[in-house]
Amino acid sequence: EVQLVESGGGLVQPGRSMKLSCAASGFTFSSFPMAWVRQAPTKGLEWVATISTSGGSTYYRDSVKGRFTISRDNAKSTLYLQMNSLRSEDTATYYCTREGRLDYWGQGVMVTVSS
Amino acid sequence: DIQMTQSPSFLSASVGDRVTINCKASQNINRYLNWYQQKLGEAPKLLIYNANSLQTGIPSRFSGSGSGTDFTLTISSLQPEDVATYFCLQHNSWPYTFGAGTKLELK
Repeated sequence: EVQLVESGGGLVQPGRSMKLSCAASGFTFSSFPMAWVRQAPTKGLEWVATISTSGGSTYYRDSVKGRFTISRDNAKSTLYLQMNSLRSEDTATYYCTREGRLDYWGQGVMVTVSS
Repeated sequence: DIQMTQSPSFLSASVGDRVTINCKASQNINRYLNWYQQKLGEAPKLLIYNANSLQTGIPSRFSGSGSGTDFTLTISSLQPEDVATYFCLQHNSWPYTFGAGTKLELK
């Protein structure tokens, strides 16, 4: 059974950093590109970033470019999102999802950026 | 960026009704369109991928159609457990973009 479990969220002050993790199981992690998608409270869904299977290629939405870094450790079957210079508008539930088809999603982790 | 215009925003229907939800892309996305169901407090669940392919485990009352810029999700006979918000997603090109959602309620 495919499982994606996010962790690392919480309350953080504006301008500070936070790192999210997504532990994958039930499939060959290294064979799939992966992505992060977020959803602000009572709002719609927003794609954040994608990483290739090897980690050699990454893609970001403009609003996070230069602040967020997506990475992966295929040996640990884990996806990461390093978020720096956080802003109030980054407040959202962050989901990791399997790219290609965006078929399986984690349960999400809440990130609240507030002073 | 490709804009996804989803309609209607709200939909009220009775059990057994045929329900349709539409998404229109601002440019050609071929068939790279997915449909998701999201219930309160849960992650999105993939229903349809690549416009018309039913995801494994999804009931056959759900179907998708369309290509290019116009797409439709159809629920052939609405069930109580289908109450949820539905989103479309274009994954033809980055940045991937979602429709704003359709909230489906029982009449």
